[in-house]
Amino acid sequence: SQQGEEDPQALSIQEGENATMNCSYKTSINNLQWYRQNSGRGLVHLILIRSNEREKHSGRLRVTLDTSKKSSSLLITASRAADTASYFCAWRGGSYIPTFGRGTSLIVHP
Amino acid sequence: GAGVSQSPSNKVTEKGKDVELRCDPISGHTALYWYRQSLGQGLEFLIYFQGNSAPDKSGLPSDRFSAERTGGSVSTLTIQRTQQEDSAVYLCASSLVSMNTEAFFGQGTRLTVV
Repeated sequence: SQQGEEDPQALSIQEGENATMNCSYKTSINNLQWYRQNSGRGLVHLILIRSNEREKHSGRLRVTLDTSKKSSSLLITASRAADTASYFCAWRGGSYIPTFGRGTSLIVHP
Repeated sequence: GAGVSQSPSNKVTEKGKDVELRCDPISGHTALYWYRQSLGQGLEFLIYFQGNSAPDKSGLPSDRFSAERTGGSVSTLTIQRTQQEDSAVYLCASSLVSMNTEAFFGQGTRLTVV
């Protein structure tokens, strides 16, 4: 993709395990955000990390950002079946318009 | 309303017909975005409205697609002479006009062209 990639495309884990998703982008950014999507419908914002931040936490979520590598990762600790969803990263560069990655489909087995 | 509202939730139309998709953003949000998501894919940017500025239409895939935003609030995305490849979920989002702010999404309109 000319915009960026997320990997893995799909992730299947057992409840209680940690899930790590990665996002790479190709432009300089102001911030990067992670969203969750259930059942192919509306997206819900999870966390925003600014370009001058390296790590951010929210509950069981931990996001890291490495602007030198143009990459970010989302870690979900102690996963639950309810975490099953698709997760997308989105970044803003010089525009207000967020550009989205292709997403990671996470399945957490009870 | 409390969130972004889109209507209809689902729309089945015959190839060649025109469709209109509606988005009601969160009150006070001057930025409004339309995206398209094909099955199992990421979000494809279509168009962006910011206040009274000219919209950024750079993502519209063809001249069959158009959108307007009346009174800085409700937006309508129109697809003329629909084709089967237009089948997708059309997502609308709104936000404050700030670089470091989140976008709030509606539940989308699932369009099926038969």
